[in-house]
Amino acid sequence: KAGVTQTPRYLIKTRGQQVTLSCSPISGHRSVSWYQQTPGQGLQFLFEYFSETQRNKGNFPGRFSGRQFSNSRSEMNVSTLELGDSALYLCASSLGQRNQETQYFGPGTRLLVL
Amino acid sequence: DAKTTQPPSMDCAEGRAANLPCNHSTISGNEYVYWYRQIHSQGPQYIIHGLKNNETNEMASLIITEDRKSSTLILPHATLRDTAVYYCIVIQGAQKLVFGQGTRLTINP
Repeated sequence: KAGVTQTPRYLIKTRGQQVTLSCSPISGHRSVSWYQQTPGQGLQFLFEYFSETQRNKGNFPGRFSGRQFSNSRSEMNVSTLELGDSALYLCASSLGQRNQETQYFGPGTRLLVL
Repeated sequence: DAKTTQPPSMDCAEGRAANLPCNHSTISGNEYVYWYRQIHSQGPQYIIHGLKNNETNEMASLIITEDRKSSTLILPHATLRDTAVYYCIVIQGAQKLVFGQGTRLTINP
């Protein structure tokens, strides 16, 4: 089975712009979670989608949003980019059918905001 | 979710077994122990998880003490490609993963 894929892998934006990142989960996985990873803050949970519905949400401002499509692919959008949004954005998928499910991560999208 | 404590760094010779400890003394009965690793700038890789019993897969073995307050991840024959940061986490049911500082494992030739 193919693993979790994320596009693009690298992105450079300037402050004030917006960005959309894409994640394709492992085939058959219906849950997609998004994380932000920075050297200072470590791994932080953004949100989780299951069956096109946001099921969990972290403590990020409304500039961070996401959605999930009927084929379980997910996108996250960050509007009005700030310098502090520079990070590795990770997507993880799981079956999502019960609480205790192993999450498998994609390679990440490295975003640099100038 | 229970907090975990790991040594910040460890070294191991190539070909030897790498034993990575993790303390999770406040773990509750329905919490699982998970191990992930992250090679520089890549996405975290799932290694293994367990509840009470010891577990083994093609990558590693997980030894959980009887009181479940600590565990050890064992990489039986470490290679240079096993150099990474290893994260031990304890989670119940929530999908939200929280990584601590982890252990930076360096495999030396």
